[in-house]
This record gives sequence, C-alpha cells and structure tokens, in this order.
Amino acid sequence: RKEVEQDPGPFNVPEGATVAFNCTYSNSASQSFFWYRQDCRKEPKLLMSVYSSGNEDGRFTAQLNRASQYISLLIRDSKLSDSATYLCVVNVFSNSGYALNFGKGTSLLVTP
Amino acid sequence: GAGVSQSPSNKVTEKGKDVELRCDPISGHTALYWYRQSLGQGLEFLIYFQGNSAPDKSGLPSDRFSAERTGGSVSTLTIQRTQQEDSAVYLCASSLAWGLSYGYTFGSGTRLTVV
Repeated sequence: RKEVEQDPGPFNVPEGATVAFNCTYSNSASQSFFWYRQDCRKEPKLLMSVYSSGNEDGRFTAQLNRASQYISLLIRDSKLSDSATYLCVVNVFSNSGYALNFGKGTSLLVTP
Repeated sequence: GAGVSQSPSNKVTEKGKDVELRCDPISGHTALYWYRQSLGQGLEFLIYFQGNSAPDKSGLPSDRFSAERTGGSVSTLTIQRTQQEDSAVYLCASSLAWGLSYGYTFGSGTRLTVV
C-alpha cells in the first residue's frame, strides 16, 4: 500500500466551480501535513499547511481527519490559474528521520 | 540566495558516463533534501542532509548514487555509470530546519536524460 494515496484525476471543472480533492495516508504516526501545487514541468511549491482544526487561505480550505487518516483540499470559485497538479504531502518520523512523503498528485484543469 | 538554485537545469549524457548535479540551498537553511521525479510519477525521496551529515542513505536507488554536502551549504548528487532508467528530474529542496512542521522550498530541478 502506498503511503500517500490520491485520485490522479484529471478533474475538469468550469471556471467558478468548487472542487475538492481527497488524500489518504497509511502511517498513523504521521505528524504534519501539507498541500503542494506543481505546474507542468515546474517544481512543487507549498500551497498550505494542514492543521487539525482545519484552515483556510482565501479560496482554499484544508481539513485533516486523523481518525480516518484523511486530508482534503477544497477550492472555491475556481480560476483558470488554478490548473495544476495538487500534491498531498505527509511528514513522518521514521528510522530515516523526518521526511516528506508525496502523493502522486491530483490533476486539475479549469476551463473557461 | 533568494531561492534554491540547481545546476545544470538540463543535462543530456551518454549511458555509462558520470554526472554531477549541484544544489545551492536558501541561505541559512540547515536541512537539504534530494528527490527525483520520473515522467508521470510522484516524487521519490533519495536522501537528506542535516548540516553536512546524511544520517540515512537507504533511499538512494543504487550504489552508483552518492551525495555530499560541504560547509552546510552546497550539495552535489553524483551518479556514476549512468543508465537510461536514471533519466528523471532531480529536485533539491531545503528547509529552515529538520523537523515536523517545516515545508520545503524546491529548486527548479535538473532534467537528466541518459541516451
């Protein structure tokens, strides 16, 4: 079982739509969580951290359910510029130390 | 520097040759990480440094891969006797410290093509 699993999509949505991505992780010892955004042929960039209480940054809302080992990202009022791959990321302490484990990403395409 | 700098941005090499990839992290960032991303795949963790020390090298794909970091700053990833399966984008990231809550800043990567 992969450590971080995401639906690869693609999610094709019209401008203005609300879209939600989900992610599950397998290691119950995971301690911090992030969403990254990766544009085509570019490096991943931190979008937002995910806190247990849930957190919002403008049109983006992230939530964490530790009991279900589930993370979500909600994007409201989608813009064309939101088109990208969204990576779910989990930080876990292992024998190797701390490392960020990345999901393969969910592809979003916002259309006019 | 202002961001994480990687060089070269693109490298085409013949199978069997050695290559050296360089990463210059953000000034003051003590933790440095190497990942690689193959076409259509997720990020594969290779190795991390806390200062100049790499506590665990088990993420490196084979003994042809090695990495070092000097002066707590620049890191080099060396691939000896390159194979076609080594073709990927090699991404370096740094963070302020090694620990739970620090997100990473990535460089723009080195796109390696082995022909």
